[in-house]
Amino acid sequence: EDQVTQSPEALRLQEGESSSLNCSYTVSGLRGLFWYRQDPGKGPEFLFTLYSAGEEKEKERLKATLTKKESFLHITAPKPEDSATYLCAVQAKSGGYQKVTFGTGTKLQVIP
Amino acid sequence: DAMVIQNPRYQVTQFGKPVTLSCSQTLNHNVMYWYQQKSSQAPKLLFHYYDKDFNNEADTPDNFQSRRPNTSFCFLDIRSPGLGDAAMYLCATSRDGALYGYTFGSGTRLTVV
Repeated sequence: EDQVTQSPEALRLQEGESSSLNCSYTVSGLRGLFWYRQDPGKGPEFLFTLYSAGEEKEKERLKATLTKKESFLHITAPKPEDSATYLCAVQAKSGGYQKVTFGTGTKLQVIP
Repeated sequence: DAMVIQNPRYQVTQFGKPVTLSCSQTLNHNVMYWYQQKSSQAPKLLFHYYDKDFNNEADTPDNFQSRRPNTSFCFLDIRSPGLGDAAMYLCATSRDGALYGYTFGSGTRLTVV
């Protein structure tokens, strides 16, 4: 069974204090790993898809990296507007093309 | 702007009273999904439509059904809601496959009283 574990559950940062969120996964062959941002009371917003170990993607203050066992979402010099829950999800090669397994997320709070 | 719209944003229903949630999209995506998300939990896939083909997850209760009358609209029917069905219901769309990323609606918060 595909599993996604995110840590920490919650993270509180001062504005400008860089940090990383972790997503460890267990799948029988990775087709893709996804990062989403979810604001309170809203649906998740797609950020990145990573396909293979060593791949990196960036968007503004966010940078996602991927190894064979985990992914990191690095947040550089965060601002209060980066406060949200960040969800990681995986799709396995053994499953259907539409089967995606989500983690429970890391709730990030950035304090001015 | 192209988007995914869910109605209503908040729904209160009585225990056992059928309820329907709706989702519409202007993205012309061929795949539509329904997810259930409970507080502080991961979104859980209930089912999806690939074009007109309906795909049910094995652990989705029979109490949950769906309809997709055309490309733009999809409905989630809960035949006899129980207290455990209180959750945020998220509609999402994608072009062909989930690898391109989902576009989610804002969700419908369902309360069962």
